Amino acid sequence: QKEVEQNSGPLSVPEGAIASLNCTYSDRVSQSFFWYRQYSGKSPELIMSIYSNGDKEDGRFTAQLNKASQYVSLLIRDSQPSDSATYLCAVNRWSTPLVFGKGTRLSVIA
Amino acid sequence: DAGVTQSPTHLIKTRGQQVTLRCSPKSGHDTVSWYQQALGQGPQFIFQYYEEEERQRGNFPDRFSGHQFPNYSSELNVNALLLGDSALYLCASSLERGGDEQFFGPGTRLTVL
Repeated sequence: QKEVEQNSGPLSVPEGAIASLNCTYSDRVSQSFFWYRQYSGKSPELIMSIYSNGDKEDGRFTAQLNKASQYVSLLIRDSQPSDSATYLCAVNRWSTPLVFGKGTRLSVIA
Repeated sequence: DAGVTQSPTHLIKTRGQQVTLRCSPKSGHDTVSWYQQALGQGPQFIFQYYEEEERQRGNFPDRFSGHQFPNYSSELNVNALLLGDSALYLCASSLERGGDEQFFGPGTRLTVL
């Protein structure tokens, strides 16, 4: 069974620090990788997608993918209290359903 | 650019009843996927609709059924509700030929008493 694993947290970081969120997956042929942010009581919001090994940067967010290690991470630079949320990692092959991890709860302390 | 919309926002039902949830995809999108998210868990895939047909289905019983209309909107129906069906139901839209990015609607919070 395809699985996506995340540390449930909470991960607490001080304001202005770098938050590092990690995710491992079991399906070796996974091709698409996504990070969603979910505020309490709200729906998931897509913040990053990555398809190739290496880094992808978008503003304060950097996604890192290592297919050989079956590992994907999300770095949030200059963390703000407004970044406090649950971050969901999702993985799939082309045109197959997304498989989600349980999410990591991030708390940014002012 | 209209995003994904869902109705109703909240719903309270009793065991054994039936419920219908509705979703309109993001403008230009043609594929709708439904997910169930229990408290403290990641979303679990229920099924996906494309060209008015169920294309893929997750590990959910036949009590869960759906439909897609010619305008790409979709419905999720759940029969014989159980207490365990209480969850946030999420609709996600995507473009068949646009890659795998899926965008979620605000969700419907279903409570079964």
